[in-house]
Amino acid sequence: NAGVTQTPKFQVLKTGQSMTLQCAQDMNHEYMSWYRQDPGMGLRLIHYSVGAGITDQGEVPNGYNVSRSTTEDFPLRLLSAAPSQTSVYFCASSYGTGSNGYTFGSGTRLTVV
Amino acid sequence: QKEVEQDPGPLSVPEGAIVSLNCTYSNSAFQYFMWYRQYSRKGPELLMYTYSSGNKEDGRFTAQVDKSSKYISLFIRDSQPSDSATYLCAMTLIQGAQKLVFGQGTRLTINP
Repeated sequence: NAGVTQTPKFQVLKTGQSMTLQCAQDMNHEYMSWYRQDPGMGLRLIHYSVGAGITDQGEVPNGYNVSRSTTEDFPLRLLSAAPSQTSVYFCASSYGTGSNGYTFGSGTRLTVV
Repeated sequence: QKEVEQDPGPLSVPEGAIVSLNCTYSNSAFQYFMWYRQYSRKGPELLMYTYSSGNKEDGRFTAQVDKSSKYISLFIRDSQPSDSATYLCAMTLIQGAQKLVFGQGTRLTINP
């Protein structure tokens, strides 16, 4: 039982490049989310999904796209990377309504130069 | 003004001390309250979860929610060096419970 798996762990991008951060969970959780963590800002919600085929925006969605074709996978796409997207990205999943807390992945450290 | 405010610290205490971590919030509709612990370069892990007002105890940890004051606390008794981490409070509404709102996190160091 791997939990929530994020790849890659580290990535350096040049401004304007695009990439996809991968997230997979093997717990059959319906709810999945993407957060970014910046110093002094805590975690901020980017996008979330309540099930396959259903996604919605969070607090800071600009510059990011998501899709959810399966229960297990929830990739985050950076369309045209900017230095402001330098951050640590966490994927999380939860069973049911999510009110009992999420299981987080170990994060992807992204630097945009 | 942030919806959830948390003193970022850092907080440094001697081993065995009682630690108090706190968050205040502005949205009275929040109903579910959580504390996460995050070790350096790791993802957050759920430590405590409470619903509405009251106390919840789990070993050396006690979570307290005072909805009238919009204030939540986490107490750590007999603190250990292994408790050194960043502690994040998080909360959510009854509906839309998939959207967690986090505090900034408090960095805690327990000195042997």
